[in-house]
Amino acid sequence: KNQVEQSPQSLIILEGKNCTLQCNYTVSPFSNLRWYKQDTGRGPVSLTIMTFSENTKSNGRYTATLDADTKQSSLHITASQLSDSASYICVVRLTSGTYKYIFGTGTRLKVLA
Amino acid sequence: IAGITQAPTSQILAAGRRMTLRCTQDMRHNAMYWYRQDLGLGLRLIHYSNTAGTTGKGEVPDGYSVSRANTDDFPLTLASAVPSQTSVYFCASSPQGGTEAFFGQGTRLTVV
Repeated sequence: KNQVEQSPQSLIILEGKNCTLQCNYTVSPFSNLRWYKQDTGRGPVSLTIMTFSENTKSNGRYTATLDADTKQSSLHITASQLSDSASYICVVRLTSGTYKYIFGTGTRLKVLA
Repeated sequence: IAGITQAPTSQILAAGRRMTLRCTQDMRHNAMYWYRQDLGLGLRLIHYSNTAGTTGKGEVPDGYSVSRANTDDFPLTLASAVPSQTSVYFCASSPQGGTEAFFGQGTRLTVV
């Protein structure tokens, strides 16, 4: 069964600290993996996208890694800010003609002052 | 500003009533999608459309219908709403090749 699992479910950190969110997937056939940020009451917004051959991708203070062999990805947030408080969703796309995406349940991050 | 717009932003609906959620995009994307997001679950695909004039069923299509008369609009209809359809609904679109999906701001629907 195609699944995307994220951990932890929720996380609280102090402003300025770093954190790492995990994503494990059992999706096949794999096309690409994306990380989205979803602010409360808003739609998800793309942070990074990585294909099978890419190991790392950065977007400002966000750095995503991908290990296609172990089917694991991580999102590292550096020097967290209050505005980083959001849910972070890992999404894997299948290489099918229906543009099918499998969504993780997300990690809810709270950054405290 | 280019993007994807959903309406209404929220709605309380009596069970048994018919409701259409609207979605419009001005990015000329071929593919459009409807998802529902429930607490503790990832976004689940309800219906999708690869191009104008075509639609397909996602993971949870029962109780919902869609149409794609043109590129820009992709309405989602609940023919007879039930409480289990209480959820937040997101419309999304992606360009040819599906490199990235762009999401609307969501519609919070409560069926009572």
